[in-house]
Amino acid sequence: ETGVTQTPRHLVMGMTNKKSLKCEQHLGHNAMYWYKQSAKKPLELMFVYNFKEQTENNSVPSRFSPECPNSSHLFLHLHTLQPEDSALYLCASSQTDGSSSGANVLTFGAGSRLTVL
Amino acid sequence: GQNIDQPTEMTATEGAIVQINCTYQTSGFNGLFWYQQHAGEAPTFLSYNVLDGLEEKGRFSSFLSRSKGYSYLLLKELQMKDSASYLCAALDSNYQLIWGAGTKLIIKP
Repeated sequence: ETGVTQTPRHLVMGMTNKKSLKCEQHLGHNAMYWYKQSAKKPLELMFVYNFKEQTENNSVPSRFSPECPNSSHLFLHLHTLQPEDSALYLCASSQTDGSSSGANVLTFGAGSRLTVL
Repeated sequence: GQNIDQPTEMTATEGAIVQINCTYQTSGFNGLFWYQQHAGEAPTFLSYNVLDGLEEKGRFSSFLSRSKGYSYLLLKELQMKDSASYLCAALDSNYQLIWGAGTKLIIKP
């Protein structure tokens, strides 16, 4: 496989469930990102990992928990979500120099469509 | 605050030309991106402008005016496959991407 792969593509969960979203990139990039995309709203950056270290956490509720075991894999663990968390969750990767995000082109996955009942 | 404005939706005819505008207000500026996103698919990179002027890539061109805080994406010889959302994003002084809400482009035969 090439590019950025996200699984599952669709997920329906209850408010008390625990689930995880998975992202894998086959591009040799050193930075990975989680974004939330809601209808008619700008992309919201949730988490950034540079060289496997979390460098940003944009005031995301603790019911979202990221994990980056290596530079190719990124997870988003979900627990006790709310209906307003229903959205498309996009993973992206880029090659950075480590000092800043820079003008780096992001390569996105197709997203995981999450519905919280 | 930082802000990106772009039209919510536009309609154009197959074979025609359409211009999608984007205005930005950011703390500092390090360039502007355009991405294309087909329904149910990943956003894909179209262009990056950091200097004033027009850059052409085949049927797509992107323009930037730093003094006006303005960019546009120009699509020529429209095809049905160009129906998609077009996302504008500006890099601020901290190299953080500020995203617009996207413009949904509908192409009619």
